[in-house]
Amino acid sequence: KAGVTQTPRYLIKTRGQQVTLSCSPISGHRSVSWYQQTPGQGLQFLFEYFSETQRNKGNFPGRFSGRQFSNSRSEMNVSTLELGDSALYLCASSWGLAGASTDTQYFGPGTRLTVL
Amino acid sequence: EDQVTQSPEALRLQEGESSSLNCSYTVSGLRGLFWYRQDPGKGPEFLFTLYSAGEEKEKERLKATLTKKESFLHITAPKPEDSATYLCAVPGRSARQLTFGSGTQLTVLP
Repeated sequence: KAGVTQTPRYLIKTRGQQVTLSCSPISGHRSVSWYQQTPGQGLQFLFEYFSETQRNKGNFPGRFSGRQFSNSRSEMNVSTLELGDSALYLCASSWGLAGASTDTQYFGPGTRLTVL
Repeated sequence: EDQVTQSPEALRLQEGESSSLNCSYTVSGLRGLFWYRQDPGKGPEFLFTLYSAGEEKEKERLKATLTKKESFLHITAPKPEDSATYLCAVPGRSARQLTFGSGTQLTVLP
């Protein structure tokens, strides 16, 4: 069974540009969450999508946005890039069990974004 | 606000030298605790989910335990391939909104 895939794996952008990252969840998984990982802040939750709707959002500025498609694939977008946006962006998928108190998330390999 | 603290930040062991990693948490009503392993440049790999105090789970040389205030990841007779960063996390208001600890970077020397 294929795992979570993320594209591209590496990206270099300059300040002020925008970027779109893509995530394909494990087959059958309906929930996709995004996380940012930096050496200083560690892993931080960005947002969660289920059934093409954003269900929860972390404490990030509006420059960070995302969407989910009917096949559960997801994209996240960062506009007006800043140097501090350099990070590993991780996508995680899960079944999306309704009403579940826990729902194991499986992570992709990440997209390494460098902002110059 | 949920808080997760891991200690030590870094741990160096000789091959075969057993030890434990700690994850303490402050949450309003624990609904589960996750352990992940992360290798450099890769995404976290799921290891365990613990649901209630007293629960234990094992996988090869790893055993995770849970109390009402903390979780331990015991590593028995580690090998160099166990070298990685070990992360623990708890779900927040959504089951899929995880709060992570800062991790323990484990190095096992041959």
